[in-house]
Amino acid sequence: NAGVTQTPKFQVLKTGQSMTLQCAQDMNHNSMYWYRQDPGMGLRLIYYSASEGTTDKGEVPNGYNVSRLNKREFSLRLESAAPSQTSVYFCASSDAANPEAFFGQGTRLTVV
Amino acid sequence: KNQVEQSPQSLIILEGKNCTLQCNYTVSPFSNLRWYKQDTGRGPVSLTIMTFSENTKSNGRYTATLDADTKQSSLHITASQLSDSASYICVVIRQTGANNLFFGTGTRLTVIP
Repeated sequence: NAGVTQTPKFQVLKTGQSMTLQCAQDMNHNSMYWYRQDPGMGLRLIYYSASEGTTDKGEVPNGYNVSRLNKREFSLRLESAAPSQTSVYFCASSDAANPEAFFGQGTRLTVV
Repeated sequence: KNQVEQSPQSLIILEGKNCTLQCNYTVSPFSNLRWYKQDTGRGPVSLTIMTFSENTKSNGRYTATLDADTKQSSLHITASQLSDSASYICVVIRQTGANNLFFGTGTRLTVIP
């Protein structure tokens, strides 16, 4: 079972560049999440999607956009990357019947 | 305000020793509490889940406790191994709301030979 798959694993961007982080899950979960993790801080929610076709802002949404393409896929887009967006990004999914969150392996993004 | 606080922030222990990590929360209404282990460079992986009615649950050398009255949980690791070196994250799940996961900042455990 693949679980939650994120791509890419590493990325370096120049300030002002754009990119999309991809996430896919094969567990038929309704809910999907994007988090960022910074040193000394817990996982902070950027955006989440409770079901296909819906998205909502989390704790730190500024500078990001998301798309819930279908039930499997939830992408995170940085339109104009800033050094403050240097972080490790995690995608997760869960289901109401069993609210354990399953995480991807993370994307380490550096903006220079 | 829904918060999850963990202590200590970091911990270094000798291989073979025991340790206990703490988690205090104010999340309401409470559904369940999970402890996750996050190895360096990896995503968090669930260790154990505690529901409102459970006081203690074990998973191998890991034992989690929950006191729902005082809103406290602990994770006890017995006979630590080098592979236990990781961050341990307490996550409290709220009963209601689409965004119902609340994360602690984690305890960084280092086991040395």
